[in-house]
Amino acid sequence: AQSVTQPDIHITVSEGASLELRCNYSYGATPYLFWYVQSPGQGLQLLLKYFSGDTLVQGIKGFEAEFKRSQSSFNLRKPSVHWSDAAEYFCAVGAHNNDMRFGAGTRLTVKP
Amino acid sequence: EADIYQTPRYLVIGTGKKITLECSQTMGHDKMYWYQQDPGMELHLIHYSYGVNSTEKGDLSSESTVSRIRTEHFPLTLESARPSHTSQYLCASREYMNTEAFFGQGTRLTVV
Repeated sequence: AQSVTQPDIHITVSEGASLELRCNYSYGATPYLFWYVQSPGQGLQLLLKYFSGDTLVQGIKGFEAEFKRSQSSFNLRKPSVHWSDAAEYFCAVGAHNNDMRFGAGTRLTVKP
Repeated sequence: EADIYQTPRYLVIGTGKKITLECSQTMGHDKMYWYQQDPGMELHLIHYSYGVNSTEKGDLSSESTVSRIRTEHFPLTLESARPSHTSQYLCASREYMNTEAFFGQGTRLTVV
């Protein structure tokens, strides 16, 4: 089965600073890749997705992610973080057998 | 806004009881999923379904069962609740392999 690794459990950045959250996947074919955000006590909201075409994808709230096949990575970036971005971020990979696996998540703290 | 609903939102139940967590979606999606998530932790796939009368086990399925008699309904049953089942349970659905999953608000289960 496919798998997802998010190496950073917790990241702290200052408001206005840039952000990069790492995601590496393991899958034998071209995967379907997703980033979700989860605020406390809430369900998951989709930020962006990749399944083909341009390897740099834009999402909501100013986020973007880049698919790098050679590195099996799909890192999430934002040029300037806002305090409201503090949340848990999950990378996910969808396989051709319909199942969908998530990484362990990265908790983002934003300092004033 | 996603039309996927989970009930109840919160449940406290005694050890040994049988419980069913409900999940319904009105989007006509064939694919549905159940995930278990401990606070601040990763999502573990419990079960998923391709469509009516199809179900597959995920990583943590041995202590629960699901059914898919109708497209819109995907209930999860614990035959005998234990304190180790205390967790948040998230239901999701999606239309195709390359589309995002929509999540419900979750059911937070406490077994005492």
